Amino acid sequence: ETGVTQSPTHLIKTRGQQVTLRCSSQSGHNTVSWYQQALGQGPQFIFQYYREEENGRGNFPPRFSGLQFPNYSSELNVNALELDDSALYLCASSFRTGGGELFFGEGSRLTVL
Amino acid sequence: TQLLEQSPQFLSIQEGENLTVYCNSSSVFSSLQWYRQEPGEGPVLLVTVVTGGEVKKLKRLTFQFGDARKDSSLHITAAQPGDTGLYLCAGYMDSNYQLIWGAGTKLIIKP
Repeated sequence: ETGVTQSPTHLIKTRGQQVTLRCSSQSGHNTVSWYQQALGQGPQFIFQYYREEENGRGNFPPRFSGLQFPNYSSELNVNALELDDSALYLCASSFRTGGGELFFGEGSRLTVL
Repeated sequence: TQLLEQSPQFLSIQEGENLTVYCNSSSVFSSLQWYRQEPGEGPVLLVTVVTGGEVKKLKRLTFQFGDARKDSSLHITAAQPGDTGLYLCAGYMDSNYQLIWGAGTKLIIKP
């Protein structure tokens, strides 16, 4: 079975730009969660998608949005980038929406200049 | 303020020594997980503890969930350089889909 894959692995943007990060979930998983991990910190929950619907959201502004597709892959979109958005963005897939094991991709390292 | 406080934040010890990492909260968690993360990679699940007082062993690693399900510890016996990494605790609160994370303990084992 294939694991969670994320793209791109690294990218550099400037303030005010928009970015789209992509995630392919592990085979058989129907739930995708996105996390932001700042340097030296633990991951912070952005939102979760279950069967193409947003299933929950953390304390992030509306300029963070997402999508989940019928094949359960997902996108994270961030508009009007700010310097503080620089972080590692992690995608995790799972077979259930809460309480289960999360399988993480390697992350997308975003730098905002 | 973090809901899950990990200590110490950083630990550097010699190979062969024992160590304990702590994960504390004033809130109750329905389950708690420990992950290890290496540079450039996503976290990998080590263990999930569910029952208050539960102890789980994974080779030289021993995980304990507090009786009140508010805290947990990870003990490593005879640490090896391969144990080097960022250890993260994370927990689910009742009826919640959101995994709450600690800030992590960066562990370095020197040969």
